[in-house]
Amino acid sequence: QITLKESGPTLVKPTQTLTLTCTFSGFSLTTSGGAVGWIRQPPGKALEWLALLYWDGNERYSPSLQSRLTITKATSKNQVVLTMTNLDPVDTATYFCAHRDTTVAGAFDSWGQGILVIVSS
Amino acid sequence: SFELTQPLSVSVALGQTARITCEGNNIGSKNVHWYQQKPGQAPVLVIYKDSKRPSGIPERFSASNSGNTATLTISSAQAGDEADYYCQVWDTLTAVFGGGTKLTVL
Repeated sequence: QITLKESGPTLVKPTQTLTLTCTFSGFSLTTSGGAVGWIRQPPGKALEWLALLYWDGNERYSPSLQSRLTITKATSKNQVVLTMTNLDPVDTATYFCAHRDTTVAGAFDSWGQGILVIVSS
Repeated sequence: SFELTQPLSVSVALGQTARITCEGNNIGSKNVHWYQQKPGQAPVLVIYKDSKRPSGIPERFSASNSGNTATLTISSAQAGDEADYYCQVWDTLTAVFGGGTKLTVL
């Protein structure tokens, strides 16, 4: 059974940097075909994909946010970290991490519960 | 950039069939995935690769994809199917989500 859980600050000031951690179990990010992605959802709005980290270390980013995002594997093999710089109130959203696998044609087949991050002074 | 367009809302009578569309340029050439999201919860994958159901998803959920439109069909709609539904594809190594459709079961 795959599980994921997001952790990090829930209140961030404008211009600050946000660091979120996704802790997962039930799969290994070193296994071919696996990946972990980050998706966010502003209150009352649609899902927006942010970034993806593949099992081989390759990274992919949303073109509109690429300059502000970094996705990395943490020291622990079961954690993926997303960093977003220069936060703005419009970045207020629930941030989800999710497992992506080629066995389901690249769909996100398991999701964390999400963490609501509020950007406010 | 690739865009996916969904209707904002769809209504269906209890026990009837609901259809939610997802439009995109030549979307039929891509694998379309569908997610169900209930209020306050994380999305759940209900259809992957155009028409395949993950384990645990009822057969009432089906889908198709051709030309410029992908369609999610929910047969015998139940009150518990009331949720937001999102389509998603991969385009040039980036994930794209539709704007979401709120399904109301009357």
